[in-house]
Amino acid sequence: DTAVSQTPKYLVTQMGNDKSIKCEQNLGHDTMYWYKQDSKKFLKIMFSYNNKELIINETVPNRFSPKSPDKAHLNLHINSLELGDSAVYFCASSHPGTVNTEAFFGQGTRLTVV
Amino acid sequence: QKEVEQDPGPLSVPEGAIVSLNCTYSNSAFQYFMWYRQYSRKGPELLMYTYSSGNKEDGRFTAQVDKSSKYISLFIRDSQPSDSATYLCAMSRGGSYIPTFGRGTSLIVHP
Repeated sequence: DTAVSQTPKYLVTQMGNDKSIKCEQNLGHDTMYWYKQDSKKFLKIMFSYNNKELIINETVPNRFSPKSPDKAHLNLHINSLELGDSAVYFCASSHPGTVNTEAFFGQGTRLTVV
Repeated sequence: QKEVEQDPGPLSVPEGAIVSLNCTYSNSAFQYFMWYRQYSRKGPELLMYTYSSGNKEDGRFTAQVDKSSKYISLFIRDSQPSDSATYLCAMSRGGSYIPTFGRGTSLIVHP
């Protein structure tokens, strides 16, 4: 009965490859997010989706493309992976009307680009 | 200067100690202040949140906000080894604004 689940948990891939990370939430939340946490533990917002509509797209390279087939899923596709993309990627969701304070995070996907 | 500053630590304390974790910020528009706890290789989980200035207590945890000084704190009483984790502060202007996170403070409570 995991609230926010991401797959895969670990991903090791070569530079130049294309990969996807999947996220699903069973909390009935309308808003979902992708965050990137670098080696220094900084947690930075990448994308936010509200009810399948992109509402924030921070300045991330266009090699990153989020896709939301329905409000319970938010996937992240990354093209032409680079060494600097190595990080932990977190999916999160929040309930409408909670001013984004109560975000529930997935366990993270540890991406290593070699 | 980053919008939210937080000392990364690590902060190492003996079991039973009172722990003080702090963040400073520069954006006076922030209204909501949160503390997340992140265990190793896990996602952050919301610990506490407060609105505007003041104190909020929940068990062994107390969150304090001083908007005039742009300074927030999290106090942990009677710290336990299970409290060992990274604590991230986050703050938001509210509404549809996405929280801005600090870099987190690593806390180690040793028996």
